[in-house]
Amino acid sequence: EVQLLESGGTLVQPGGSLGLSCAASGFTFSTYAMSWVRQAPGKGLEWVSTISGGGGSAFYADSVKGRFTISRDNSKNTLYLRMNGLRAEDTAIYYCANSLDSGTYLFDYWGQGALVTVSS
Amino acid sequence: QSVVTQPPSASGTPGQRVTISCSGSSSDIGSNYVWWYQQLPGTAPKLLIYRNNQRPSGVPDRFSGSKSGTSASLAISGLRSEDEADYYCAAWDDSLSGVVFGGGTKLTVL
Repeated sequence: EVQLLESGGTLVQPGGSLGLSCAASGFTFSTYAMSWVRQAPGKGLEWVSTISGGGGSAFYADSVKGRFTISRDNSKNTLYLRMNGLRAEDTAIYYCANSLDSGTYLFDYWGQGALVTVSS
Repeated sequence: QSVVTQPPSASGTPGQRVTISCSGSSSDIGSNYVWWYQQLPGTAPKLLIYRNNQRPSGVPDRFSGSKSGTSASLAISGLRSEDEADYYCAAWDDSLSGVVFGGGTKLTVL
């Protein structure tokens, strides 16, 4: 059974930094791309970032480019998101998701989400 | 900037068939597969349709997807109260090198 478990969500001040983790199990983690998708309160889904299975390619939404960094440790089956220069508009539930359809970067399984609140 | 458009709301009565549209452009839906997600209140999104019209195991055949040109549709037949949820389409966008989501459609079962 595929499981994705996010952690690290908390309250952080504007301009601050935060790291999220996503522990994966139930599939061959190193084979597949992984992504972060966020959802602001009462709003729709917004793609944040994707990293390839081997970690050699990473893609970012314009809204986070230069501030967020996606990475993965395939030996630990864990996905990360480092967020710097946080703004109020980054407040959202952050979901990690995998892409089991090789050759695409769309999302199959999703975690339960981690809430990040950016406020003073 | 890519914009994928969905109607903000849709509704139907139990047993009816409803359709949700998703309109994009040549760089997203026009040249890539469409995925559909269902998000029940207070829960994480769940994959409903992949590669335009494929259903993952466990998804009832009441749900079907189609794509033509730069538009796609999700159809739900035999509507049930438990189908009341938000529905999102998504596709890769070649010009953005990223995923674009539609704004979401809130389905109400009357």
